[in-house]
Amino acid sequence: DGGITQSPKYLFRKEGQNVTLSCEQNLNHDAMYWYRQDPGQGLRLIYYSQIVNDFQKGDIAEGYSVSREKKESFPLTVTSAQKNPTAFYLCASSITPYMNTEAFFGQGTRLTVV
Amino acid sequence: AQKITQTQPGMFVQEKEAVTLDCTYDTSDPSYGLFWYKQPSSGEMIFLIYQGSYDQQNATEGRYSLNFQKARKSANLVISASQLGDSAMYFCAIHKAGGTSYGKLTFGQGTILTVHP
Repeated sequence: DGGITQSPKYLFRKEGQNVTLSCEQNLNHDAMYWYRQDPGQGLRLIYYSQIVNDFQKGDIAEGYSVSREKKESFPLTVTSAQKNPTAFYLCASSITPYMNTEAFFGQGTRLTVV
Repeated sequence: AQKITQTQPGMFVQEKEAVTLDCTYDTSDPSYGLFWYKQPSSGEMIFLIYQGSYDQQNATEGRYSLNFQKARKSANLVISASQLGDSAMYFCAIHKAGGTSYGKLTFGQGTILTVHP
């Protein structure tokens, strides 16, 4: 089945540690996105990538880093510089960034800092 | 910069009645797309409907229709004949198809819809 896989579903991290969230898609999509969602709030864009080997900062990139070395993978690292990392993280992809096509989402990773 | 505003934090509707969820947007780009997504309590994001900036007709998908008023920069979602399963968070989003920052997909704050029996 084609889709987007985020892992793990739940993640616990100690303060001061970096952690990497996985996002893999087998839809052959060019564009990929990372969003953060706080309880009862909207989705805020962290980073997005229009094509492999390229990515752009979103609206809340501070304290996060990404890479796009393969078309199907767009991992997000939450660094110790992120002051309040506890949140629900959603990864998405769309066929191309040049056209207005729907984005497909993964099931999300719930990160808790303990 | 593009921006989406959803001014209704919560809405209530009686089962089988229609409801309108508001969405206004701000962009200087001529080419953009507007999307509505539904997020149930499980957290998954479900695509509902799409409207392109050059589309002359309002989009419809089953019980969902999009009231697109380009001059007013609004893209309201209308759900007809509400069902209990429609209770969820609803997000409006705008996609930038050209220019700098092309491909950027920005979401609003969302509206929680509760359908009463």
